[in-house]
Amino acid sequence: GQQVMQIPQYQHVQEGEDFTTYCNSSTTLSNIQWYKQRPGGHPVFLIQLVKSGEVKKQKRLTFQFGEAKKNSSLHITATQTTDVGTYFCAGPTLQGGSEKLVFGKGTKLTVNP
Amino acid sequence: DSGVTQTPKHLITATGQRVTLRCSPRSGDLSVYWYQQSLDQGLQFLIQYYNGEERAKGNILERFSAQQFPDLHSELNLSSLELGDSALYFCASSQGARQPQHFGDGTRLSIL
Repeated sequence: GQQVMQIPQYQHVQEGEDFTTYCNSSTTLSNIQWYKQRPGGHPVFLIQLVKSGEVKKQKRLTFQFGEAKKNSSLHITATQTTDVGTYFCAGPTLQGGSEKLVFGKGTKLTVNP
Repeated sequence: DSGVTQTPKHLITATGQRVTLRCSPRSGDLSVYWYQQSLDQGLQFLIQYYNGEERAKGNILERFSAQQFPDLHSELNLSSLELGDSALYFCASSQGARQPQHFGDGTRLSIL
């Protein structure tokens, strides 16, 4: 079945450094979604990208969808301690005639103040 | 507040027991999903319902079952519990399979 791979699994940065997590799918995606889960919290939807080559920004966060719609990235500029958490990407996949959202395993970000 | 309500928040029980986790989806959402998350692990997809019908199954054990009722709330039943079933169980809802999912706060299940 379709797989959504995320790298790196863990990333530790000093506050102020940049951070990037990458997401790759084995098949073309109709859209890619990004979620953030704070420690002790639940995943929260951040953004959805739909178009090939699409780039969206949310303050210090930049999301990109690849031209082939098989990969995506999330880049955080000048990380802050509030950015700590696990970032998941997810993409719809067809399984047994029904679509379901497949999540990557996530990238856990820790920020040293 | 995601609009998704899960009860109970915490559950402590013993091996061999059976528990039921409950989820009320966000108003207007017809799809409900259940996930299991063990400590520092990713989201393991269990099962998906759409308007009362099962739509997709993930790595759900035979000891686990779920259903979605006419009022769209869902229940996840876990039986013959084992120590390894200790985890955080999330419910999420969405308007459709391609749409963003909204997660509840989760039920933390501890098996003693």
